[in-house]
Amino acid sequence: DAMVIQNPRYQVTQFGKPVTLSCSQTLNHNVMYWYQQKSSQAPKLLFHYYDKDFNNEADTPDNFQSRRPNTSFCFLDIRSPGLGDAAMYLCATSRDQGQPQHFGDGTRLSIL
Amino acid sequence: QKEVEQDPGPLSVPEGAIVSLNCTYSNSAFQYFMWYRQYSRKGPELLMYTYSSGNKEDGRFTAQVDKSSKYISLFIRDSQPSDSATYLCAMSDSGGSNYKLTFGKGTLLTVNP
Repeated sequence: DAMVIQNPRYQVTQFGKPVTLSCSQTLNHNVMYWYQQKSSQAPKLLFHYYDKDFNNEADTPDNFQSRRPNTSFCFLDIRSPGLGDAAMYLCATSRDQGQPQHFGDGTRLSIL
Repeated sequence: QKEVEQDPGPLSVPEGAIVSLNCTYSNSAFQYFMWYRQYSRKGPELLMYTYSSGNKEDGRFTAQVDKSSKYISLFIRDSQPSDSATYLCAMSDSGGSNYKLTFGKGTLLTVNP
């Protein structure tokens, strides 16, 4: 089945140690999104790629970066994770902007 | 006032009950309305996607949008224990920020056998 796959499902890192989360999709969608979801909260959009064009949300901290080397893959880099960055990170895709978004199962990030 | 308000519950019903989940919103520019189901430790799964006002039915699920009242609903008929999850409403406009979903905080539903 076509889907959005996130790896790893669980990630533990140390305070201040860079970490990379990955997302791949077999849907061949143009748009890929990264969300942060904390416990009992709504997902919060960090940024998205429309094809190769990167779009950052105004309130996304500089600590968060992203790369999209090709259509299928997108990465979330957290340069210096703080305790407040512990959350579920969700990747989503859509065929085009304004189209339904399809989510992966997320990576749960813990900070020691 | 938050852009999207959703009662967090928790909501507990017996198996077979009709469930009604609701969201209100303040931004009249919203045109696309979605319901997602999220199981514990999983990503949101798209259940329903509607444009503008009206009803949409898919199996046991019915989505209703009333733009005049800025109110959307999801009805689940013959609820099953497997429907136990958090239900998130989401919406977006049709303009330049149509990529951006604004979510409610979610309603936690438990269907008891």
